[in-house]
Amino acid sequence: GNSVTQMEGPVTLSEEAFLTINCTYTATGYPSLFWYVQYPGEGLQLLLKATKADDKGSNKGFEATYRKETTSFHLEKGSVQVSDSAVYFCATPGSSGDKLTFGTGTRLAVRP
Amino acid sequence: DVKVTQSSRYLVKRTGEKVFLECVQDMDHENMFWYRQDPGLGLRLIYFSYDVKMKEKGDIPEGYSVSREKKERFSLILESASTNQTSMYLCASSFASGSGETQYFGPGTRLLVL
Repeated sequence: GNSVTQMEGPVTLSEEAFLTINCTYTATGYPSLFWYVQYPGEGLQLLLKATKADDKGSNKGFEATYRKETTSFHLEKGSVQVSDSAVYFCATPGSSGDKLTFGTGTRLAVRP
Repeated sequence: DVKVTQSSRYLVKRTGEKVFLECVQDMDHENMFWYRQDPGLGLRLIYFSYDVKMKEKGDIPEGYSVSREKKERFSLILESASTNQTSMYLCASSFASGSGETQYFGPGTRLLVL
């Protein structure tokens, strides 16, 4: 079935630094790809998604482009803030139906 | 906005107790999910329900059961709690499309089994 692999954390950055969190996928066809974010003490919430190849998802200054050539969906932000400190999960539909398969999560800590 | 609520944020139970975790969504979603989240393991699907009274085992169903008597409510039951079930439990819901819709999550229940 479909799966995602994301980079290990934790990632520690200073405020205003550039962020990249890598995510690659293995899939049959071109399934939707998602980035979720989990702030401390909360559940996951959708950050952005792309539903087809070459789509770009964006939200809150974060972007990710669905690249079929490299089977990647890397999350980027040009200038991180302390409030971006969270755990980020890449996800894609699993082998069938509506279930999602999640990466193991990447913890981001942003220092003032 | 979609709202998914879970009955408790924190629970402390003793080994052998029967534990009920409840989840309610207000968006008329067909699908509901229960996950557990553990450090280094990400999210693992326990059970999935795609309609009232319908359920499907996820990746780690052992030691758990579920109930979905109404569309908006999905309960996770630990028949006899054990210490290895200490974890964060997350409920989610989504529309049904067959191709992976956005899932909306509750705030989570942190369960400690002593």
